[in-house]
Amino acid sequence: GAVVSQHPSRVICKSGTSVKIECRSLDFQATTMFWYRQFPKQSLMLMATSNEGSKATYEQGVEKDKFLINHASLTLSTLTVTSAHPEDSSFYICSARGGGIYNEQFFGPGTRLTVL
Amino acid sequence: GENVEQHPSTLSVQEGDSAVIKCTYSDSASNYFPWYKQELGKGPQLIIDIRSNVGEKKDQRIAVTLNKTAKHFSLHITETQPEDSAVYFCAARSMEYGNKLVFGAGTILRVKS
Repeated sequence: GAVVSQHPSRVICKSGTSVKIECRSLDFQATTMFWYRQFPKQSLMLMATSNEGSKATYEQGVEKDKFLINHASLTLSTLTVTSAHPEDSSFYICSARGGGIYNEQFFGPGTRLTVL
Repeated sequence: GENVEQHPSTLSVQEGDSAVIKCTYSDSASNYFPWYKQELGKGPQLIIDIRSNVGEKKDQRIAVTLNKTAKHFSLHITETQPEDSAVYFCAARSMEYGNKLVFGAGTILRVKS
């Protein structure tokens, strides 16, 4: 399958700081990228959907000013958690679509965010 | 909107036995059904998928079946191995739901050696 990378894999930050997570599709152009959040032992929760060059569409209950998404190119999307608080600690996973004949969706390895 | 239910939540099998995980969906317009395997601390990995114009698809030890009438699809793993132990998620995608994947709650599969 297609490869999606995510960086960093793990980040620890102080409360009130901002953290940026990068997501890249390495061997295909992603028409659409998605950002998910996953709590322990739970399923994936979609936060937002982004298309290259346009504003992200956020799911209900997700603060767009809190979670800034930029989809600058067909291979790069970034998620910035602004003014992070301990309750933002979670596993964030990006996903990219556009790499297969059926527009399969491929996931990155995830970023573990811990806010102290 | 779409709703996907997945069963069982946990499944333990002996190495070499088969494992079956079942999902049902609510939106008859859904037309794409992927299965993902997620190991601890990693992102989900696409292992097999099926489209609504096909009833069954197989890839080595893994197969997926789809019953559009009943709106359910299943993952079958034969000759299970310890490395199959992981969390498995089913998902459904519908254009009427913005072409976004809706995931099941996941199944923890444990293969005992």
